[in-house]
Amino acid sequence: EDQVTQSPEALRLQEGESSSLNCSYTVSGLRGLFWYRQDPGKGPEFLFTLYSAGEEKEKERLKATLTKKESFLHITAPKPEDSATYLCAVQARIQGAQKLVFGQGTRLTINP
Amino acid sequence: KAGVTQTPRYLIKTRGQQVTLSCSPISGHRSVSWYQQTPGQGLQFLFEYFSETQRNKGNFPGRFSGRQFSNSRSEMNVSTLELGDSALYLCASSLLYSGTSGRGSSYEQYFGPGTRLTVT
Repeated sequence: EDQVTQSPEALRLQEGESSSLNCSYTVSGLRGLFWYRQDPGKGPEFLFTLYSAGEEKEKERLKATLTKKESFLHITAPKPEDSATYLCAVQARIQGAQKLVFGQGTRLTINP
Repeated sequence: KAGVTQTPRYLIKTRGQQVTLSCSPISGHRSVSWYQQTPGQGLQFLFEYFSETQRNKGNFPGRFSGRQFSNSRSEMNVSTLELGDSALYLCASSLLYSGTSGRGSSYEQYFGPGTRLTVT
């Protein structure tokens, strides 16, 4: 079954403590992997698109990487304002149609 | 450039009623997708519209329907509301739709703030 799994479900870090979030997928014919950030009560905010294994994208303290089975979102020296839920989504052909399938998200809390 | 707008932002309805939600995409975007987000199920795909045609549909009952107008604005309708329909309904717009995008082409979806629907 096509699936997108994010881990951990929740992560609590101290300000400045770097870590990584994981998104593993079991879809065939991956056409793109997307990372979003969602603040409480708001819609997801687009962060990155990754298309090929080995690809990396960076934005401020965030870096996303992609392998053939998973993607990592690395957070370097995070600040309290990085606290949010991070979602990954996979674009793939599922049941004959191109669809975007979201993981359940990782809820990140950065303590000052 | 204005982002995706959704109206209304909050709604309270009772079981059995129907509701219509509206979404205006980013200017120039012709694809609109709808999602339902709940704490238990996360983000679940409802449907996708492009050029006034439904291109993709998720696994939701027929009570959920939508349409897209010639100016790319979209509406979603839920009839005979049930308690389980309480959720955040999100609309997302993109330049391309899933069937035309491919490697290296842009299928980034930009989300609106959502409509919080509460069914009592």
